[in-house]
Amino acid sequence: DAGVIQSPRHEVTEMGQEVTLRCKPISGHDYLFWYRQTMMRGLELLIYFNNNVPIDDSGMPEDRFSAKMPNASFSTLKIQPSEPRDSAVYFCASRRGSEPHGYTFGSGTRLTVV
Amino acid sequence: GQQLNQSPQSMFIQEGEDVSMNCTSSSIFNTWLWYKQDPGEGPVLLIALYKAGELTSNGRLTAQFGITRKDSFLNISASIPSDVGIYFCAGSNNNDMRFGAGTRLTVKP
Repeated sequence: DAGVIQSPRHEVTEMGQEVTLRCKPISGHDYLFWYRQTMMRGLELLIYFNNNVPIDDSGMPEDRFSAKMPNASFSTLKIQPSEPRDSAVYFCASRRGSEPHGYTFGSGTRLTVV
Repeated sequence: GQQLNQSPQSMFIQEGEDVSMNCTSSSIFNTWLWYKQDPGEGPVLLIALYKAGELTSNGRLTAQFGITRKDSFLNISASIPSDVGIYFCAGSNNNDMRFGAGTRLTVKP
C-alpha cells in the first residue's frame, strides 16, 4: 500500500499564475478530502468527495479555488490566479467508508506564492 | 462554525516526563481523534474515541472522550525523544472533521 500520494511536494510560483495540486488516494477508498494548513488557521477542510462526487465545498475560500475528481484514483486542486496569501501546505486525505479513524493523509504539497 | 481550543500551544519537557494536553469545543462531537504530525509529513492517527466517557490506551498514550462530548485529553507517559512533533486533536461528526491548532512538543534528552 503506497498510501496517499501527492504531487508536487513543493511548488513555488509567481502571483497570478495557475497552480495545480494532485492527489492519488489509496485504492478502494471512496472518500477524498482536501485540507489546507497554515500557522494562522491550522488545518482547514476545503472540500471533500464521495465516490468522485463533490459533497461539501463550503470550505473553499474563493472562486479562485476549484477541485475535481475525474475518477476514483485521481483528484486535483487548482488555484487560478494564485495570490501570496494562498501560501500554505495543502494535504489530501482519503478514507474507506464512513469511519473517521480510517483517514490517511498524504505528505502534503508546500505551496509558496511570491 | 465549530471551534476546537487546544492547549497548551507548546511544551518543552525532559525525557521521561509525562505529558498532558487537552481540547475543548463549543459543540458536541460524535468522535474525538488525536493525531501526530512530524515535520514534512501529514498527520498520522494515534487514537480514536467513539463513546462519551471512553478511555483508550495505545502504548504510552492514553486518551479520553469527555462525558459532555465537548472535550478530550491526551496523556503521554515516560516521554522519549521521538515523541517530538505536533499533536492535533480532531472532532468529527459524520464527514466533517475539525482540527485543533496543535500542541508542539519538544523533548530534551
